[in-house]
Amino acid sequence: DQQVKQNSPSLSVQEGRISILNCDYTNSMFDYFLWYKKYPAEGPTFLISISSIKDKNEDGRFTVFLNKSAKHLSLHIVPSQPGDSAVYFCAAYPNFGNEKLTFGTGTRLTIIP
Amino acid sequence: AAGVIQSPRHLIKEKRETATLKCYPIPRHDTVYWYQQGPGQDPQFLISFYEKMQSDKGSIPDRFSAQQFSDYHSELNMSSLELGDSALYFCASSSRGRATGQETQYFGPGTRLLVL
Repeated sequence: DQQVKQNSPSLSVQEGRISILNCDYTNSMFDYFLWYKKYPAEGPTFLISISSIKDKNEDGRFTVFLNKSAKHLSLHIVPSQPGDSAVYFCAAYPNFGNEKLTFGTGTRLTIIP
Repeated sequence: AAGVIQSPRHLIKEKRETATLKCYPIPRHDTVYWYQQGPGQDPQFLISFYEKMQSDKGSIPDRFSAQQFSDYHSELNMSSLELGDSALYFCASSSRGRATGQETQYFGPGTRLLVL
């Protein structure tokens, strides 16, 4: 039962344009969300997070939007750069002390020069 | 900045053998998490430790055990290895913030285990 879903396994975007990665979740208990980037043969690297009390968080080129009613979040990367080519995972924590991060299945982003 | 260190990076074992994976968290991090990522899958939570005590448990087989030591490093012990245990094993660490369930977990590079 995949509680965090990334329905696009891959995405190609022209360099300089906006990359939008989507994530849907089914568990309404999820309270805190994180995005990770993963290169081959490396561990996931933390990018940005958002608490359920917010609907937007921004850090440089990265912005995460959260729509709680739709149980949907998205990561926007503007402008996209070749170094952004990687697999992106969204992950979620339930609230109240559960430490288990539940990951989505990942989206492979390719930035075309 | 110091990151999470895992050793070994690669490990080849035969069925029914044992394996020990080590994780050294970021300095001053007190919580360690273990994840397993099978081929083409997302990372699955196995177990976590806070201040040397097990704090949460996921889908960890009974053949696996783990502990966190006084210096906060952690070891994942895997016995009676099966072919299906071949995977990437990630360790992550965090420093407890205002509340559990809102910490950023920082991941190590992983140990790739191949069971033949």
